[in-house]
Parts: sequence; C-alpha cells; structure tokens
Amino acid sequence: GQNIDQPTEMTATEGAIVQINCTYQTSGFNGLFWYQQHAGEAPTFLSYNVLDGLEEKGRFSSFLSRSKGYSYLLLKELQMKDSASYLCAGMDSNYQLIWGAGTKLIIKP
Amino acid sequence: GAVVSQHPSWVICKSGTSVKIECRSLDFQATTMFWYRQFPKQSLMLMATSNEGSKATYEQGVEKDKFLINHASLTLSTLTVTSAHPEDSSFYICSARGQLDRFSYEQYFGPGTRLTVT
Repeated sequence: GQNIDQPTEMTATEGAIVQINCTYQTSGFNGLFWYQQHAGEAPTFLSYNVLDGLEEKGRFSSFLSRSKGYSYLLLKELQMKDSASYLCAGMDSNYQLIWGAGTKLIIKP
Repeated sequence: GAVVSQHPSWVICKSGTSVKIECRSLDFQATTMFWYRQFPKQSLMLMATSNEGSKATYEQGVEKDKFLINHASLTLSTLTVTSAHPEDSSFYICSARGQLDRFSYEQYFGPGTRLTVT
C-alpha cells in the first residue's frame, strides 16, 4: 500500500532550526513535495525533490533519499509566521499525490 | 506563479439544498484538476481527479452522484454538492495542474471554500 508518515506535531523556538522528517512508500515514485498550510488556508508549495540530495531555498531546505524512502524539510532562523502545518506528499507512478497527515509546527518566542 | 481561484470562499446553506463551487485557473491551462476535502485538524483527502473533457475519477468512498464534478474547459472545474447535509460541512479545496512534463508536476491550490450546512 501507499503511505506517508510524518510527526503529528513539533515545537521549536523562534530563531532556531527545526527538521521535519517524512518517510514514504508509494507505487512508483515521481518526486516528493512539501507544502505549508496555515490554519484555514489552502496549502502553498514549498519544494519538490525528485533526485537525491539537498535543495536549498532561502531559509527552507528539503532533502531526499530515494533508497531510504526518506525526506526532510529544514527550516532555519525560525519566525513566528512559520507556525503552520507542513504537508509531505509523494507522487506515485500515476502522478497522483499521496498526502501525509501533516506536521503542526508550533513556534515559541 | 500560477494562480487558481475558487468561488465562493465560504457558503452557508440549508440541509437538502445544493451548492456549486467553482475552481478557475487564471493564467494557465489546467489539464487536470483535483478536488480535496479537509476536516478540522485533518489532512487533505482527495475526492476526485478530473481531466478536461473527461468524466471525473472518484476516490473510493466518495459518492459520485452526490459530488458532481464538471471540467468543461481547460480553465474551469465545478464541484456541486447535491442535497447537502451537515456532515458535508468541510473545507473544500481545488488544485490544478498543467500539462505534465519534467518541469511541472506541481499542483497549484485554490484558496478553498468553507461550506457550512445547517
């Protein structure tokens, strides 16, 4: 079966670094997405990885290891506005997104 | 970036009535549109996938006669919730994707429609 696992909730301090992990099992693989979703709003795209390695985009970086079925999202210099849910989604062989349940990130001052 | 709009952004209706939600891709042609539902504190649940000019493909457990999807053009898809009941109250989100190529697998999300059935 297809499955995406990520922690339910994480807490971090403003200015710090946090890593949100995601493991995936999909039927075929066409890449791994990370989306950010603030409460009551639709998801917004953060990153897409299809090759192994780290992709850096400003304060956010995303890593993929296809052999391990593993990805993480790294957020640096945390700001209060980063408090949100972070959704990991794997794209299967039919180009369908398989969504994780999301990780609620709480930032404390 | 690509923009997807949804209308209305929120709607309240009485039990037994029907509600239509529109999803438009404003600056690109959406070959495929997706409809999701999200209950509070839960993740996105894919309801159906529609390709322009074709019948929608519904996920298991989603009633196609209750949730009518029309993807009549490359820029517009509609979801009609027929005979709505309070348990249909949810956050409905559409997303759109253009022609698949190695540069564009991304789904662009609309802002969502909050439906409350009384």
